Amino acid sequence: NAGVTQTPKFQVLKTGQSMTLQCAQDMNHEYMSWYRQDPGMGLRLIHYSVGAGITDQGEVPNGYNVSRSTTEDFPLRLLSAAPSQTSVYFCASKRGLASSGANVLTFGAGSRLTVL
Amino acid sequence: GENVEQHPSTLSVQEGDSAVIKCTYSDSASNYFPWYKQELGKRPQLIIDIRSNVGEKKDQRIAVTLNKTAKHFSLHITETQPEDSAVYFCAASRSGGGADGLTFGKGTHLIIQP
Repeated sequence: NAGVTQTPKFQVLKTGQSMTLQCAQDMNHEYMSWYRQDPGMGLRLIHYSVGAGITDQGEVPNGYNVSRSTTEDFPLRLLSAAPSQTSVYFCASKRGLASSGANVLTFGAGSRLTVL
Repeated sequence: GENVEQHPSTLSVQEGDSAVIKCTYSDSASNYFPWYKQELGKRPQLIIDIRSNVGEKKDQRIAVTLNKTAKHFSLHITETQPEDSAVYFCAASRSGGGADGLTFGKGTHLIIQP
């Protein structure tokens, strides 16, 4: 199993450009989510999905769109990038809704985005 | 929504000493409290977690305690080693870390001095 795979690892955008951060998992996990990490701010939830066709907003959803057409993929779209979206983005997944010793939130390696 | 406060933001201890990181949460309905460790340039990884029906949990040199009445929980690392140097995040969630996601603290940079 590759686990949670994020692409690209690094990206530089100009203000106003659009792009999609890709996230894929091969563990048949129901739950997927996107977090952003900024210095001194911890990890903040952007959007999450509890299954194919179902998405919902987290703490900081503005400026981002998501979709979940398959169990495996959960892309994060920036429609018009802004410098405030410069951050490290982490995708994370887990098998079901409840957490247990065998079902913990597993993070991808992260995508570092810079918006000029 | 939930708010998680974490202290201190930086903690420096001598190798072999103990380290304690504290977190408070605001939502009395939260019932799942994981701790994540993030080494420089890497992804966060779960090191220990506790549920609200348990007061303390240990795993070798690390332990977590939970005080539901005061709404705070702490991470204890004993006999610290150089590989413990990292940023540690506490988090809280309702529904066992389920659909509403985890709310994280802002992190503690733990530095182990040789």
